[in-house]
Amino acid sequence: AQSVTQPDIHITVSEGASLELRCNYSYGATPYLFWYVQSPGQGLQLLLKYFSGDTLVQGIKGFEAEFKRSQSSFNLRKPSVHWSDAAEYFCAVGAGYSSASKIIFGSGTRLSIRP
Amino acid sequence: EAEVAQSPRYKITEKSQAVAFWCDPISGHATLYWYRQILGQGPELLVQFQDESVVDDSQLPKDRFSAERLKGVDSTLKIQPAELGDSAMYLCASSAGTGVNTGELFFGEGSRLTVL
Repeated sequence: AQSVTQPDIHITVSEGASLELRCNYSYGATPYLFWYVQSPGQGLQLLLKYFSGDTLVQGIKGFEAEFKRSQSSFNLRKPSVHWSDAAEYFCAVGAGYSSASKIIFGSGTRLSIRP
Repeated sequence: EAEVAQSPRYKITEKSQAVAFWCDPISGHATLYWYRQILGQGPELLVQFQDESVVDDSQLPKDRFSAERLKGVDSTLKIQPAELGDSAMYLCASSAGTGVNTGELFFGEGSRLTVL
């Protein structure tokens, strides 16, 4: 079964600074990988996804993530954060091609922005 | 822009009472998911529907939880009786295709349950 670990519970960065959120996954084959963002009291929104091909994927709001098979990682990056990026970020892994396949979420990393 | 609709947004109930949540997915989306998100944790899949059929309910506490999607469109999640540990956000999501290769789950704003 697949699983995903987000080792950082809470990260604070200054506005304008760069950001990297860590994500490690466990799955026997090539997984599908996702990053979602959740603003307080809201549902989740997809930032980006990796299925295959180029290991550096671009998403919305200036985010990107890099799939590294050797490290079982899919870290999220942004070169310069804005105060509006403060939110909870979830990495997720999916597996399987059938309708019974499912997406498993990590426990999340809360991002705070220092003015 | 099409959205996943959920109601109620907030529900406060006493333990042992019954509670129900409703979800209307984006029109045409065949797959519907119910997730439970406990404060400070990631969403946990409770049940997944493909049209009107359940394809995964392995994490659904079936002694007290039930879910249905009778016509393959909207869905209801019920808890009876509610327990203190059920306090959480209940998220509904939908996707256009089958399986994770659809790429994107569209989430509703959730229903926050507080059990007293």
